Amino acid sequence: EAQVTQNPRYLITVTGKKLTVTCSQNMNHEYMSWYRQDPGLGLRQIYYSMNVEVTDKGDVPEGYKVSRKEKRNFPLILESPSPNQTSLYFCASSISLYLTYEQYFGPGTRLTVT
Amino acid sequence: GENVEQHPSTLSVQEGDSAVIKCTYSDSASNYFPWYKQELGKRPQLIIDIRSNVGEKKDQRIAVTLNKTAKHFSLHITETQPEDSAVYFCALIRNAGGTSYGKLTFGQGTILTVHP
Repeated sequence: EAQVTQNPRYLITVTGKKLTVTCSQNMNHEYMSWYRQDPGLGLRQIYYSMNVEVTDKGDVPEGYKVSRKEKRNFPLILESPSPNQTSLYFCASSISLYLTYEQYFGPGTRLTVT
Repeated sequence: GENVEQHPSTLSVQEGDSAVIKCTYSDSASNYFPWYKQELGKRPQLIIDIRSNVGEKKDQRIAVTLNKTAKHFSLHITETQPEDSAVYFCALIRNAGGTSYGKLTFGQGTILTVHP
């Protein structure tokens, strides 16, 4: 089944404790992206990757890191989480932005930082 | 980044009525405009999109119109049904096909409620 998966789905952590949210797609998509969703603010792009080893900042990259060492995986790293990073996070992928811009979203990861 | 203003933030209609959601933007280099639907507790899904060389696109009860001069685009849902109840997000890509074209900006969302 073609899909985008994220793990964990729910996470409660404390300020300063490094964490990684994994994202994986099995559709051989070139483009992958991370968003955070907060009430009243919609979805805001954190980082995106056009292909392996190619990443770029979205609108809210501060406090986050990403890597794209393999085509299927695009982990989101919070080196020192803070309470203002409490949010719902979505990973998404697309075949290629040269062909189509439709993005397929993962199920979301709800993160709480206390 | 690019600003996208979406209105209204909430919209309540009776079943069978039409619903219109509007987004305005400022950067004339924006040239791809998708709309996503997010049902409660679920992930966003693309419902329709339009590129800047087209003024209108229709898919059954859903249509999107684009006015590049005025820099706004709208989602139109006709004959609304209770299952249309969801949060709708507009979005855009600036200079799609050029530099920084992977950057996607979303509107703030509209909560649509369709009453039976």
